Order: sequence, then structure tokens, then C-alpha cells
Amino acid sequence: EDQVTQSPEALRLQEGESSSLNCSYTVSGLRGLFWYRQDPGKGPEFLFTLYSAGEEKEKERLKATLTKKESFLHITAPKPEDSATYLCAVQSSARQLTFGSGTQLTVLP
Amino acid sequence: EAGVAQSPRYKIIEKRQSVAFWCNPISGHATLYWYQQILGQGPKLLIQFQNNGVVDDSQLPKDRFSAERLKGVDSTLKIQPAKLEDSAVYLCASSLWGGDNEKLFFGSGTQLSVL
Repeated sequence: EDQVTQSPEALRLQEGESSSLNCSYTVSGLRGLFWYRQDPGKGPEFLFTLYSAGEEKEKERLKATLTKKESFLHITAPKPEDSATYLCAVQSSARQLTFGSGTQLTVLP
Repeated sequence: EAGVAQSPRYKIIEKRQSVAFWCNPISGHATLYWYQQILGQGPKLLIQFQNNGVVDDSQLPKDRFSAERLKGVDSTLKIQPAKLEDSAVYLCASSLWGGDNEKLFFGSGTQLSVL
């Protein structure tokens, strides 16, 4: 059974204080690893897809990296508008998408 | 580009009652998904449609949940009868063709409270 574990469950940062979110996974035949952002009362919004170990992708203050067992979402100099829940998901060879429980990020001004 | 539309936004019912949710995906998207998101958890797939047909309903509690996608566009998800543990946000998502590594577009969801 595919499993995704995200840590920490919650993270509070001061504006400008960089940090990383972790997503560890076990999956049968990784097709892709996804990062989504979810704001309160909204559905998840796509951020990145990573396909193979060593791959990196960036978008504004966010950078996602992938190894064979985990992915990191690095947030550089965060702003209050980066506050959200960040969800990690893996797609297996059976094409099923399994989500983690997310990391709730709060960036204080 | 219009996003995924869902209604209602909120629903409060008593246990053993029935409820239905509606979803209109992004125009041209062949694949439609219904997810259940319990508070504090990630979304869990209930059912996936490719056009009119069901691709995956392995995690759908078929004794009480049903879903249909008529004409390959809109979809409805029904719960009958509802249980307390069905309280959750029901998210609809769509994608172009349901292929590998395809990103999903989610609606804002329907928040269901079962009392």
C-alpha cells in the first residue's frame, strides 16, 4: 500500500525566515510526486510535479526537490501570503494518487 | 478559463438522511474525480470517471455512496443514508485525460456536516 507522510504537521515562521517541509513516501513504481497548496475553504491548487530523483523545480519563493525516498519543499524568505496547507501526493504505477495529510504553514508578519 | 464548479458549498443533514452534490468540470476535461477530505487529512479518492465510464471506484462505500456522470460532463455524488463519519469536505476535480503525472484542477468543495 502506498504511503505518504508529511512533517511537520504545522509550522509557524516569521516573515523572511526560510524553512523546509518534508514529504516521505513509499510507493510501488513512482510515476510522479506532486505538491499542492490548499487555502482555507478552497480546493488544492497545483504547484509542482517531480518525476525522478535529483529533479528540482522552482516557483517564486518555493523550490521542490526529490530523492528516492522523500521530497522537500523549501520556502525562501516567506511572506504572509504563503500561509496555507501544503499537500504532497504520489502517483503509483497503478496510476492511483495518494495524498499526505499536509503541513499547515503560518507566516507571521 | 472557468474552474471546476461545485454546489452546494455547505450542507447540514441528520444521520440517515440522504444528500447529493453536484460538479461541473472544466470544459473539455475528460476525467472527473470525487475526493473526500476529512478535517486534518489529505484528500482520498472515492471515484474516477473517464468520460461516462468508471475507471476506479475501489474506495467508494458502495452500500451508501453512488455517483454518476451523464453525457460525460456534469456529475453527481449521492450519499444515502448518511452516517456521522461522512462529515467531510467533498471535492470534485477534473483533468484533461487522466494520464500519468497530469495535474488536477479542484473545485472549492462541499462541506458536509452530519448531525
